[in-house]
Amino acid sequence: GEDVEQSLFLSVREGDSSVINCTYTDSSSTYLYWYKQEPGAGLQLLTYIFSNMDMKQDQRLTVLLNKKDKHLSLRIADTQTGDSAIYFCALSGASKIIFGSGTRLSIRP
Amino acid sequence: EAGVAQSPRYKIIEKRQSVAFWCNPISGHATLYWYQQILGQGPKLLIQFQNNGVVDDSQLPKDRFSAERLKGVDSTLKIQPAKLEDSAVYLCASRTGTSGTFTDTQYFGPGTRLTVL
Repeated sequence: GEDVEQSLFLSVREGDSSVINCTYTDSSSTYLYWYKQEPGAGLQLLTYIFSNMDMKQDQRLTVLLNKKDKHLSLRIADTQTGDSAIYFCALSGASKIIFGSGTRLSIRP
Repeated sequence: EAGVAQSPRYKIIEKRQSVAFWCNPISGHATLYWYQQILGQGPKLLIQFQNNGVVDDSQLPKDRFSAERLKGVDSTLKIQPAKLEDSAVYLCASRTGTSGTFTDTQYFGPGTRLTVL
């Protein structure tokens, strides 16, 4: 079945850029997403990219998609303490959505 | 606008007992989802409703799990009997769209944390 991999933890200094990576196995997904989950809360859709795009920018967020390597990344510019959360990449196709296991982003002063 | 409501927020039961979770989606949202999120993992989609019909329940363990969405509004998810491995957070989400993509925002509830002892 589909496999979506993420590293478990990322620690960055406040004000630096954060880059969260995701690799996947199924290339038939049509949309790829990044969700944010804060403690005790449900998931929040941050951004998504269509599979025929290479890059999408939305304010402090930049999504890069390398279809050849099946690699998706989320860059958060000027990381703030409010960005502390777990970030999930997800893929969808044929009415199904599959999530990675999440990357916990922590911010140090 | 009120968000997705779920209850209870926490539930502790012993294995082999039954449990039910309730979800009230955002008013007017046609599509409703139940997810299971085991600690340290991403959410796993269990079942998808469109209005009061089931669109996809391929990942629902039907020998013990059941779900319904009567009248196309509220939904309940039941586990009977529960196993230790059912310990997880059960998330409900809804969205306005009915297409197979998820590009319109899914609104998630806070979840129900189930502990099976």
